[in-house]
Amino acid sequence: QQQVKQSPQSLIVQKGGISIINCAYENTAFDYFPWYQQFPGKGPALLIAIRPDVSEKKEGRFTISFNKSAKQFSLHIMDSQPGDSATYFCAARVDGGSQGNLIFGKGTKLSVKP
Amino acid sequence: DAGVIQSPRHEVTEMGQEVTLRCKPISGHNSLFWYRQTMMRGLELLIYFNNNVPIDDSGMPEDRFSAKMPNASFSTLKIQPSEPRDSAVYFCASSFSAAWPLHFGNGTRLTVT
Repeated sequence: QQQVKQSPQSLIVQKGGISIINCAYENTAFDYFPWYQQFPGKGPALLIAIRPDVSEKKEGRFTISFNKSAKQFSLHIMDSQPGDSATYFCAARVDGGSQGNLIFGKGTKLSVKP
Repeated sequence: DAGVIQSPRHEVTEMGQEVTLRCKPISGHNSLFWYRQTMMRGLELLIYFNNNVPIDDSGMPEDRFSAKMPNASFSTLKIQPSEPRDSAVYFCASSFSAAWPLHFGNGTRLTVT
């Protein structure tokens, strides 16, 4: 019940295309859902986050879509660029709790081809 | 701001040796976290501190692992004795408070032969 399942494991997209990464969870107590971006040799960095009182959050080319009834959320990268090539992690925790309670997905390695 | 600083960046050691990983959190952050990243298990929380006090060490795999935070600007993760299965990238992260976003360091890649 504590797991966050992420798919696909890897993704190849052409420059200008849309990248979509999906995550699903079981624990209905989760109510904070961040996405982290990790470049090779670097630590993960917070990209965007959402709480379940909204169904969508957009920051530039990055959008989180959230479906509370299905317990699923996804990251959409519009107009994907080679510089977006990285590993993306979804995560979830109980809001108000510590970041130490973040549960991470296994990650998606995105490659954007020029 | 220099960000979270970890050292060394790479560590290669032989099985049975003691390994010490070091972390300097961002100044003013009072929560510090140690994570381990492997292909098989992804990112796993090992332990976290709040105001230098260990709050949750349930992720520490076994007694061979220990972590300390003697002051607000320094933490260590020690493995003694090390084993090949400890090979992974170890990340330190800090946050302004326990509920604020994490800032990760660039990690220490540990290889135990």
